Amino acid sequence: RKEVEQDPGPFNVPEGATVAFNCTYSNSASQSFFWYRQDCRKEPKLLMSVYSSGNEDGRFTAQLNRASQYISLLIRDSKLSDSATYLCAVNMNRDDKIIFGKGTRLHILP
Amino acid sequence: DAGITQSPRHKVTETGTPVTLRCHQTENHRYMYWYRQDPGHGLRLIHYSYGVKDTDKGEVSDGYSVSRSKTEDFLLTLESATSSQTSVYFCATLSGTEGFGQYFGPGTRLTVL
Repeated sequence: RKEVEQDPGPFNVPEGATVAFNCTYSNSASQSFFWYRQDCRKEPKLLMSVYSSGNEDGRFTAQLNRASQYISLLIRDSKLSDSATYLCAVNMNRDDKIIFGKGTRLHILP
Repeated sequence: DAGITQSPRHKVTETGTPVTLRCHQTENHRYMYWYRQDPGHGLRLIHYSYGVKDTDKGEVSDGYSVSRSKTEDFLLTLESATSSQTSVYFCATLSGTEGFGQYFGPGTRLTVL
């Protein structure tokens, strides 16, 4: 089983809709979790960290389910500018070895 | 923005030649990482460093070596480049402060002919 897995998509979603991504991880001792956004031919940029109690940043909500070993990202009222690839990242151990999922492509349709 | 630069930004080389990619950061972050990104594979960790002279292997370390003699610089060396190492290489740093994620450099596009 791969250490971090994501549905590659693509997700084609109409503007204004809500979309959710999941990301599963294999190491139950994983320490911290992140969502990144990557635009075509650009570097990944941190979207948000994922906290145990869940956290929200504007239209974006991140949640962690340690029992089932997955994290999720919810985007509400999606905008055309949300079109990108969304990567989850998991800090696997105390030495901060950080592994990424393959990413989920999102296309917001006008 | 963690002030991360990568050099060169683009490189074309031939099979069998040595190649060194440089990552430089100005934020005094403790951790540094090298990833490669390929279609269908996403970002894969090559090597990472958790301090000066402290490095460890990632998911795809074969054929690569790294060195970190100063906090600000992390070098990735391909001892004898192969066509399978054609990729986009990203460097990233991490401050180590809880809850703060990685910052990435702009990437180096390497083509091995």
